[in-house]
Amino acid sequence: NAGVTQTPKFQVLKTGQSMTLQCAQDMNHEYMSWYRQDPGMGLRLIHYSVGAGITDQGEVPNGYNVSRSTTEDFPLRLLSAAPSQTSVYFCASSYGGLAFFGQGTRLTVV
Amino acid sequence: AQRVTQPEKLLSVFKGAPVELKCNYSYSGSPELFWYVQYSRQRLQLLLRHISRESIKGFTADLNKGETSFHLKKPFAQEEDSAMYYCALKDNTGKLIFGQGTTLQVKP
Repeated sequence: NAGVTQTPKFQVLKTGQSMTLQCAQDMNHEYMSWYRQDPGMGLRLIHYSVGAGITDQGEVPNGYNVSRSTTEDFPLRLLSAAPSQTSVYFCASSYGGLAFFGQGTRLTVV
Repeated sequence: AQRVTQPEKLLSVFKGAPVELKCNYSYSGSPELFWYVQYSRQRLQLLLRHISRESIKGFTADLNKGETSFHLKKPFAQEEDSAMYYCALKDNTGKLIFGQGTTLQVKP
């Protein structure tokens, strides 16, 4: 089993550009989420989904969109990148609080 | 409001010394608490959860509802314990709320 696959590992964007971070899981978990990790701020929830077709906002949703058309995939879209979105992004899929994380995407917006 | 607080950004100890990473929470319901760990160049992974009441890699954590704490302890730190540790709380919607994280540095 691959678990949670997140791509890309690294990305540099110019301000104003858009991009999609991909996340796929093969554990048939209903619950998936996106976090950003910033020094001193810990992991902050961006968006989450409790199942296909259902998404909701987390703590820091502004500037990000998500969709959940299948159980397996949960992409995160940056609509117009800003330097404040420079961060490390983690996708997770979970069951009963047991979360499995992707390897992370280090995003730099210049 | 539900919140998880880890007051120490960095905890530095010598090998063989006891370790305690602090975690306090605020939650109106009955909490489910977890410790996650991120070793260098590895994915974030579950270390332990309070309902299993087990010891993993020598670490234990006891839920203290009176003090709303879930501190992580190990009697004798090892160099391989050096990592970032996150305390997390699962709310009744299934969301995992993480603390700010504590970097544990175990010196030889």
